[in-house]
Amino acid sequence: QVQLQESGPGLVKPSETLSLTCTVSGGSISSYYWSWIRQPPGKGLEWIGYIYYSGNTNYNPSLKSRVTILVDTSKSQFSLKLSSVTAADTAVYYCARIPVNCSGGGCYPNWFSPWGQGTLVTVSS
Amino acid sequence: QSALTQPASVSGSPGQSITISCTGTSSDVGNYDFVSWYQQHPGKAPKLMIFDVRNRPSGVSNRFSGSKSGNTASLTISGLQAEDEADYYCTSYSSSNTLLFGGGTKLTVL
Repeated sequence: QVQLQESGPGLVKPSETLSLTCTVSGGSISSYYWSWIRQPPGKGLEWIGYIYYSGNTNYNPSLKSRVTILVDTSKSQFSLKLSSVTAADTAVYYCARIPVNCSGGGCYPNWFSPWGQGTLVTVSS
Repeated sequence: QSALTQPASVSGSPGQSITISCTGTSSDVGNYDFVSWYQQHPGKAPKLMIFDVRNRPSGVSNRFSGSKSGNTASLTISGLQAEDEADYYCTSYSSSNTLLFGGGTKLTVL
């Protein structure tokens, strides 16, 4: 079955760029959306953005100015870059797959499954 | 965009049923049957429990069911068990082509 694994630095300095990679194994990266979600310690989940395997993206408006999500189909990986980080960006970052749901003349990103195990990123000097 | 509204906490005794609500707007929950629910135990990644309002993935107990009326979706857990104690989150597709999470509900099994 498909498995996702996040990787990247666990500590980032304020004002720098957070960079994470999600590696997909056990299945194809094609024909799906791929997403990043985060969860600050003790708080709820926040959707960051998603990318279609073809490269089309959509981001949370509250983070859009600082987020870039890219996909590398040759490596079965997608990545997250979040610039100008502050302590408020400290969180567990999850990657997840989103199946494409086509109905009523449109195709929609829908539910998240499976998820990676998550990786804690702390923003601190 | 605003998060979907969930109660902060709900509780029930073993064997009872509970319902968690998820309220959005006519731009998200009310306009699309693309609501999903997730269970999250402490220190673990969320797990998909319901998709497309009322569908259960393979392997999820039939004690979990979903529904929707207007701008509010609901997750019902029947025959509560101790292992159901967890945080639950709803998600909906939005007309702005984005995805919204609810604030989360902590379920306590008394």
